Amino acid sequence: ETGVTQTPRHLVMGMTNKKSLKCEQHLGHNAMYWYKQSAKKPLELMFVYNFKEQTENNSVPSRFSPECPNSSHLFLHLHTLQPEDSALYLCASSQVGDRGYTFGSGTRLTVV
Amino acid sequence: DQQVKQNSPSLSVQEGRISILNCDYTNSMFDYFLWYKKYPAEGPTFLISISSIKDKNEDGRFTVFLNKSAKHLSLHIVPSQPGDSAVYFCAASGLNAGNNRKLIWGLGTSLAVNP
Repeated sequence: ETGVTQTPRHLVMGMTNKKSLKCEQHLGHNAMYWYKQSAKKPLELMFVYNFKEQTENNSVPSRFSPECPNSSHLFLHLHTLQPEDSALYLCASSQVGDRGYTFGSGTRLTVV
Repeated sequence: DQQVKQNSPSLSVQEGRISILNCDYTNSMFDYFLWYKKYPAEGPTFLISISSIKDKNEDGRFTVFLNKSAKHLSLHIVPSQPGDSAVYFCAASGLNAGNNRKLIWGLGTSLAVNP
C-alpha cells in the first residue's frame, strides 16, 4: 500500500455509539493531520501531530479524541456525536515544514 | 473572516476551451500558494503550486498566475478536458505567530467540462 489510507470509507453511527477512524501513511512523513469537510464550508483543520506529538487542537469538541501511536498511524475516536458532526473526515500527512500535504480518500461520517 | 476566497462556486466550460479559476487572499504573510483537485469520494490531490517570489508557474496544461499586489491568483487549464471536471481548492501557506506553517483553504470551485 502506498500513500495515505483511511478506513472505513463510510460510517453511520448513532449518537450514543463509540467508533474510531483510522489513518495510515506509507510515505515516511512525520506530520499527520485531521481535517473536517462540511458542505459549504472550507476545509477545517482539527488536529496536527508532529513527530507523534499533538501540536495543534483547533478548539475541537472533546467528543473527538485523536490518537497518534507512531508517525505512520493516526486515529480519531468518536463518542456521543451530534448530527451536525456528519461530514467528510480527511487525514493528511507531510514532512514537518512542508507546504503541501498528501490526503487520504476520507471517511464519510453520518450521525443519526 | 475567510482569508482565502474562491468567489465562484461553480464554472462550466466547453471541452478544448480555457478554464480559469480564481482565488483571492487577504493575508500578505502568505508566501506559498497551492491548487488541489478533488473528485467525489476521494481526498484532494495536489495539482500545482507557486511561491510568492514568482508570478507564474506552468506544468503541462496547468498554469498558475500570481498577482501579489492584487492578492489574487488564478489557475488556467488549457485545453480543458472532461476528466478535469472536479472541485478545485485554492490554499495559501504561511507562518503563523508561533512560527508554525499553516495551510488556509478556500471553499472550492466546481468545474464542469462539457464534451
